[in-house]
Amino acid sequence: QKEVEQDPGPLSVPEGAIVSLNCTYSNSAFQYFMWYRQYSRKGPELLMYTYSSGNKEDGRFTAQVDKSSKYISLFIRDSQPSDSATYLCAMSAGRGTGFQKLVFGTGTRLLVSP
Amino acid sequence: DTEVTQTPKHLVMGMTNKKSLKCEQHMGHRAMYWYKQKAKKPPELMFVYSYEKLSINESVPSRFSPECPNSSLLNLHLHALQPEDSALYLCASSSSGSGGGETQYFGPGTRLLVL
Repeated sequence: QKEVEQDPGPLSVPEGAIVSLNCTYSNSAFQYFMWYRQYSRKGPELLMYTYSSGNKEDGRFTAQVDKSSKYISLFIRDSQPSDSATYLCAMSAGRGTGFQKLVFGTGTRLLVSP
Repeated sequence: DTEVTQTPKHLVMGMTNKKSLKCEQHMGHRAMYWYKQKAKKPPELMFVYSYEKLSINESVPSRFSPECPNSSLLNLHLHALQPEDSALYLCASSSSGSGGGETQYFGPGTRLLVL
């Protein structure tokens, strides 16, 4: 079993739809959760950063973390064609002994049609 | 400014060539990373430099040789690569390199093709 599971998609939605992207994980030590957006042939761009459980909102984007279920989500409201990209979840454990690397999901490809 | 720059954007090299990838950041970050990303896969960590010292080498073959000349610059020297090394090579930086929730900022990548 992978440490982080993410549906690869593609997820196709019409413009204006609410999009829900999700990841599940198995390592209960993960405390820091990130969402990156990656356009084709570009580097990942940090979208959202969350520590521990709870919600965080930034414009059209909302990140949710449910540590009890080991489940994280990214919601995109009023989706736009420019949101078409691959969305990678990433997470890491807290500062303990040794380097705590980022563990990525495989990425979900999102296509928003006009 | 959260910008990490990488040069070149594209690189084509033969298996006997020697080339170098360059990465630069001016955010005052003390940790820099090299990742390799194949198509439709997530980034895979290769090396971590923290305070200009190599702190992590993820069992990367010796044909990849990293170098950190100073806290703003990171190089990846390539020699005798194989076609399977063709990928997007990403540089990232973070504040200290202790991991554990540090935000990593990625550059645009160098797309490498080995013939």
